[in-house]
Amino acid sequence: LAKTTQPISMDSYEGQEVNITCSHNNIATNDYITWYQQFPSQGPRFIIQGYKTKVTNEVASLFIPADRKSSTLSLPRVSLSDTAVYYCLVGGTTSGTYKYIFGTGTRLKVLA
Amino acid sequence: GAGVSQSPSNKVTEKGKDVELRCDPISGHTALYWYRQSLGQGLEFLIYFQGNSAPDKSGLPSDRFSAERTGGSVSTLTIQRTQQEDSAVYLCASSPGVGAYNEQFFGPGTRLTVL
Repeated sequence: LAKTTQPISMDSYEGQEVNITCSHNNIATNDYITWYQQFPSQGPRFIIQGYKTKVTNEVASLFIPADRKSSTLSLPRVSLSDTAVYYCLVGGTTSGTYKYIFGTGTRLKVLA
Repeated sequence: GAGVSQSPSNKVTEKGKDVELRCDPISGHTALYWYRQSLGQGLEFLIYFQGNSAPDKSGLPSDRFSAERTGGSVSTLTIQRTQQEDSAVYLCASSPGVGAYNEQFFGPGTRLTVL
């Protein structure tokens, strides 16, 4: 199953767009890519999911190139409340059973 | 509606003792997952249930770890003869189905400290 790596940390200012990239070179054909947000002492919370190309919802966009070996979460106009750890998750079946690999996590700090 | 709940929220135990962690998934969710998050680390997938069945237990860290789910609802993760390296936050999640395209809804976790 895909190994996933992310930048350890990023800083941004309020109102800026933030892009966080996850590398998953060994992604399999039937794997999906999901991004989660985690605040201290809480469980992760779903942000967005995709399989290929671009997906957009009310809070983020997800860009997945044709080879699917990476994905980029885009957060438009971040605010202080977006300070959190962001994880990509690659999940799918291998020989009929499912496995889920979380990325190493990116600690985003939004500055005023 | 109610989210995923886990109990206890915190557990302190002595090395060598057994512990049992409980997860109550969202009603109607057939899939249930256990993850471990060590201090300052990412999330490590342990096991998933499809209904009451766990098709693959290879993600459990050692044979001291076991998990079961009954009635397609509550799940327990049991750690026997706890070791200090078992100290971590144990997270449970559930989803409507087991496919990887399903959003997983996480509980707040159980913080386990082994002295």
